[in-house]
Amino acid sequence: AQSVSQHNHHVILSEAASLELGCNYSYGGTVNLFWYVQYPGQHLQLLLKYFSGDPLVKGIKGFEAEFIKSKFSFNLRKPSVQWSDTAEYFCAVNAGNFNKFYFGSGTKLNVKP
Amino acid sequence: EAQVTQNPRYLITVTGKKLTVTCSQNMNHEYMSWYRQDPGLGLRQIYYSMNVEVTDKGDVPEGYKVSRKEKRNFPLILESPSPNQTSLYFCASSFNGGLNTEAFFGQGTRLTVV
Repeated sequence: AQSVSQHNHHVILSEAASLELGCNYSYGGTVNLFWYVQYPGQHLQLLLKYFSGDPLVKGIKGFEAEFIKSKFSFNLRKPSVQWSDTAEYFCAVNAGNFNKFYFGSGTKLNVKP
Repeated sequence: EAQVTQNPRYLITVTGKKLTVTCSQNMNHEYMSWYRQDPGLGLRQIYYSMNVEVTDKGDVPEGYKVSRKEKRNFPLILESPSPNQTSLYFCASSFNGGLNTEAFFGQGTRLTVV
């Protein structure tokens, strides 16, 4: 079975600090990669996605992610976090042959004002 | 507005009392799926459907049923709920479940089984 690993389960940062959340996946074929964000009490919303092309992907709210195929990684970054970024972040992989999305266990980000 | 709608948002029920959580999408998507979200485990797929009358098990199907009689609707049925099914449930849809599609999620249903 495919797997998605998010190594940071809980991250606490002060406002204006830089953020990097790790994501690694195990599938060796063609994949689509996603980061979703879940604000407290809300549903998952798409932050950014990678289908093909430029491995550096820019998303909403100043987030970006870099796909490094050789490392099977898709890390999420933001240069300067805000209190409103407090949320849980999920990395997801769609390995098309399997017709499903695989999710990581999530990273809870707490930004202190 | 493109959306996935789940009902109810919150549900408390007793062990063994059959319940249905509805899911509807207005994007004419072929692919729909159900996930449960538990702390530390992320989202795990329960069932998915590639199209009308085509459904298949996900990673954690035990204790659940689904049906796909119409393209827009994909209800999740718990015939005899148990406390270990207390969880947050999300319905999702995408164009076809294959590559180069993204999943759209419903608002979630928080189920408590006592």
